[in-house]
Amino acid sequence: GQNIDQPTEMTATEGAIVQINCTYQTSGFNGLFWYQQHAGEAPTFLSYNVLDGLEEKGRFSSFLSRSKGYSYLLLKELQMKDSASYLCAVRDGNYQLIWGAGTKLIIKP
Amino acid sequence: NAGVTQTPKFQVLKTGQSMTLQCAQDMNHEYMSWYRQDPGMGLRLIHYSVGAGITDQGEVPNGYNVSRSTTEDFPLRLLSAAPSQTSVYFCASSHPLTGANVLTFGAGSRLTVL
Repeated sequence: GQNIDQPTEMTATEGAIVQINCTYQTSGFNGLFWYQQHAGEAPTFLSYNVLDGLEEKGRFSSFLSRSKGYSYLLLKELQMKDSASYLCAVRDGNYQLIWGAGTKLIIKP
Repeated sequence: NAGVTQTPKFQVLKTGQSMTLQCAQDMNHEYMSWYRQDPGMGLRLIHYSVGAGITDQGEVPNGYNVSRSTTEDFPLRLLSAAPSQTSVYFCASSHPLTGANVLTFGAGSRLTVL
């Protein structure tokens, strides 16, 4: 079966750095997405990786290793507004999106 | 640009009732989809459409119907509501010709079935 694993919850301190990991087993691979979802709101797109390596976008970076079935989202200079759930999703060989359950990130002052 | 508009935002139904969740997008996106989100689970695809007149089943289609008569609209019908359909529903759309095919989500519809 197809599976996306990510930690259920993480806690970090304002101003610090946090890394949210995502491991996947899918039938084929056509890209990995990270979305941010604030409580009670819709998911919004953060990043997309299809080749190995690091994609940097401001305070957020996303890394992909296709051989290891592994990605991480790195958030720097954490702000209180970064408190949200972070969803990892993989587009499989049939171009269908498989979603992880999400990681709830709690930022403490 | 309104993006993806979903109505209603909240709905309470009794078991056996039917209803339609509305979804409209003004971005000329060919691809539209419906997801449900339940605690502790990833988003699960209910139905999707790659263009007007074309619909297909996702991972959890039972108990739901869709139609796509125009590019803009993609309503989701619950035929006979059951408590297991209590969930938050998201409509999402994308333009398949953009490289990453990033989904734009509506604000969500929270449905409770008693």
